[in-house]
Amino acid sequence: KAGVTQTPRYLIKTRGQQVTLSCSPISGHRSVSWYQQTPGQGLQFLFEYFSETQRNKGNFPGRFSGRQFSNSRSEMNVSTLELGDSALYLCASSLQSGAFTYEQYFGPGTRLTVT
Amino acid sequence: QKEVEQDPGPLSVPEGAIVSLNCTYSNSAFQYFMWYRQYSRKGPELLMYTYSSGNKEDGRFTAQVDKSSKYISLFIRDSQPSDSATYLCAMSPVGNFGNEKLTFGTGTRLTIIP
Repeated sequence: KAGVTQTPRYLIKTRGQQVTLSCSPISGHRSVSWYQQTPGQGLQFLFEYFSETQRNKGNFPGRFSGRQFSNSRSEMNVSTLELGDSALYLCASSLQSGAFTYEQYFGPGTRLTVT
Repeated sequence: QKEVEQDPGPLSVPEGAIVSLNCTYSNSAFQYFMWYRQYSRKGPELLMYTYSSGNKEDGRFTAQVDKSSKYISLFIRDSQPSDSATYLCAMSPVGNFGNEKLTFGTGTRLTIIP
């Protein structure tokens, strides 16, 4: 069974640009969550999508948005990039919604560098 | 102050030693507690989870939760070089189904020296 895939793996952008990251969940998984990982703050929850609807949202500004398609694939968009957005962005999928009820499987992440 | 505090390390121990990893938290609503392991250039993978207080054992790994002290631990017995990774604690309150959010610690980098 293929794991969670994320594309691209590495990305370099300049301040003010926007970026779109993609996540393909494990086949059959309907929930996709996004996290930002930085050395200082650790893993922080961005949002969760389930059946194309945002179920949950973390404390990030509106520049961070996402969506989920009917095949459960998800995209995350960051507009007007800031230097502080440099991070590893992780996607996790699970069968159903519910962070502790259903195990989340993480992808390898997309390393975003903003210059 | 962060809701979950975790010593970032790094922590280096000789092979075969017992490793103790810890997290403290401030939110008394947290009921589910998890430990993830993250190898370099990989996403985190779930190691163990526990509900409320108590101990849970899985092979060489033991997770402990002390809700009265708001303190959780992960013990690794007979540590192996393959255990070298970053260990993240995570926790969640019990909420409405589907509305749970995981709050993670910053992770402890562990190196097992052969």
